[in-house]
Amino acid sequence: KAGVTQTPRYLIKTRGQQVTLSCSPISGHRSVSWYQQTPGQGLQFLFEYFSETQRNKGNFPGRFSGRQFSNSRSEMNVSTLELGDSALYLCASSLDSGGATYEQYFGPGTRLTVT
Amino acid sequence: LAKTTQPISMDSYEGQEVNITCSHNNIATNDYITWYQQFPSQGPRFIIQGYKTKVTNEVASLFIPADRKSSTLSLPRVSLSDTAVYYCLVGPSNDYKLSFGAGTTVTVRA
Repeated sequence: KAGVTQTPRYLIKTRGQQVTLSCSPISGHRSVSWYQQTPGQGLQFLFEYFSETQRNKGNFPGRFSGRQFSNSRSEMNVSTLELGDSALYLCASSLDSGGATYEQYFGPGTRLTVT
Repeated sequence: LAKTTQPISMDSYEGQEVNITCSHNNIATNDYITWYQQFPSQGPRFIIQGYKTKVTNEVASLFIPADRKSSTLSLPRVSLSDTAVYYCLVGPSNDYKLSFGAGTTVTVRA
């Protein structure tokens, strides 16, 4: 079974621009979460989508948004980019069978550099 | 989510057993303990999850005492490829809002 894929893997943007990152979860997984990882703040939760609905949200400004499509694929958008948005953005998917599971499968991430 | 405390770094040699202890004094009744591993420039990878006593899989063992206020991840016979950051997470089993701390950087030397 293919793992979580993220595109693009690397991205360079200019301050003030916007960016869209894409994530394809593992087949059959309905929950998709997004995380930001920086050297200073570590891994921080952005939001989680399930069945096209945002189910959980972290403490990030409204410039960070996302959506999920009917096939569970997800996109994350960051508008009005700031230098501090430079980070590794990770997507994770989970089966969410309703049982006891804390296991999320992470993709390789998208390395965003804002100049 | 329960706060966790784990060592910042640990050094080991190939073939040794590495034990990383995580403290979680305010763990809740419905909280599980989960460990993830992360290599540089890659996403974290689930290692093991447990609720109490001992859990073992092909990669590691997780020891949880009766009071559940701490847990120990045991990596048997480590190799150079086990050099990574290891994160201890505590929370409800169905909580998808994972909260990662600073983790423990394990360095395995030849």
